[in-house]
Amino acid sequence: VQLVESGGGLVQPGGSLRLSCVASGFTFHTYAMGWVRQPPGTGLEWVSAISASGDNTFYAESVKGRFTISRDSSKNTLYLQMTSLTVADTAVYYCARTLDNMYYFGHWGQGALVTVSS
Amino acid sequence: EIVLTQSPATLSLSPGERATLSCRASQTIFSYLAWYQQLPGRAPRLLIYDASNRATGIPARFSGSGSGTDFTLTISDLEPEDFAVYYCQQRLSWPITFGQGTRLEIK
Repeated sequence: VQLVESGGGLVQPGGSLRLSCVASGFTFHTYAMGWVRQPPGTGLEWVSAISASGDNTFYAESVKGRFTISRDSSKNTLYLQMTSLTVADTAVYYCARTLDNMYYFGHWGQGALVTVSS
Repeated sequence: EIVLTQSPATLSLSPGERATLSCRASQTIFSYLAWYQQLPGRAPRLLIYDASNRATGIPARFSGSGSGTDFTLTISDLEPEDFAVYYCQQRLSWPITFGQGTRLEIK
């Protein structure tokens, strides 16, 4: 199992960014996936999750209405579209695969750093 | 939202000793709890799921127990590579929540 995030970087407050996570080593369309973030020097915060089919999506209250999770099974890729970014969204964002479709995270990417700053 | 409270915040022990980490939920989560280990600069690693099941490849010195609101992660005979930050996570209800973490440091 390998998960490789990309798309992180520096963005101004109010800006947008899209993270991608390319999955390999497993049958992507059969697993629910998620994003978990970690602000500098602090703990883990769940951000969003999507079912294996993509029919069901879930969001933390702190990002609801601003972030959109999606997946493209033809590309084995998970996305996180982030808009109206604030300083509080600065974090390392991890892509993660669920454990046998239980919403635990059994495999993680290396993380993508998103910095929101003027 | 289910709040998970971990204690202690920091635990100082020596290699070879036993570590006992606690996670308390604000309401019952049955056995829907996982534990993760995070080394500095690394992604978290799943250790235990459904309170007491070791994930694939996790050494037997890691064990989990508890149900309802009180859970424990025990690490017997600490190895140098076990000194890290540990998080609990519940999956009973949305939003998924994590505890704030326990830092296990070398005494």
